[in-house]
Amino acid sequence: EDKVVQSPLSLVVHEGDTVTLNCSYEVTNFRSLLWYKQEKKAPTFLFMLTSSGIEKKSGRLSSILDKKELFSILNITATQTGDSAVYLCAVDRFYGQNFVFGPGTRLSVLP
Amino acid sequence: DSGVTQTPKHLITATGQRVTLRCSPRSGDLSVYWYQQSLDQGLQFLIQYYNGEERAKGNILERFSAQQFPDLHSELNLSSLELGDSALYFCASSARGFRSGGHTGELFFGEGSRLTVL
Repeated sequence: EDKVVQSPLSLVVHEGDTVTLNCSYEVTNFRSLLWYKQEKKAPTFLFMLTSSGIEKKSGRLSSILDKKELFSILNITATQTGDSAVYLCAVDRFYGQNFVFGPGTRLSVLP
Repeated sequence: DSGVTQTPKHLITATGQRVTLRCSPRSGDLSVYWYQQSLDQGLQFLIQYYNGEERAKGNILERFSAQQFPDLHSELNLSSLELGDSALYFCASSARGFRSGGHTGELFFGEGSRLTVL
């Protein structure tokens, strides 16, 4: 059965800390891996990764994909309280249900 | 603003009732997806449509049904509502096609319809 696993499920840090969120997957017909940030409302898109070893970066956030080991990490440096959210990992597939979501990592950044 | 519009934003109803949630995808997006998110839970995939046809089904209850119309908007019908159906229902759209040759794109989410069943 296709699955996307995220760890940790919950994380509490203080402002200024660096965090690493993990996403591993076992899916057929892998196409791409996506990261989303969900605060109180709709998930918002962060990154799409299709190739191994190429880091995507946006400000303090960065992500990389390892297609051999079937995982991705999302790094957030110098965390701020505004980074508090649920971070969702999803895998897009060529056939069948396109986007398979993981359970999310709930990040709380304390001042 | 993602470009995906969902109505209503909030809905309060009683057990046993029926409701319809509506979604207008981003202009040009052919694929529409419905997700259910209960309190502190992850996104549960319900159903996916591509250009009016059902393409994939998740753990959608038999009491729930959906369709995508020729103008590409979609409706999710929830009937015989139970307390446990209270949740945030998201619609999302994507430019990607069903087959591998389609556009590779991410999902764009609407703001959700919050359903409360009393």
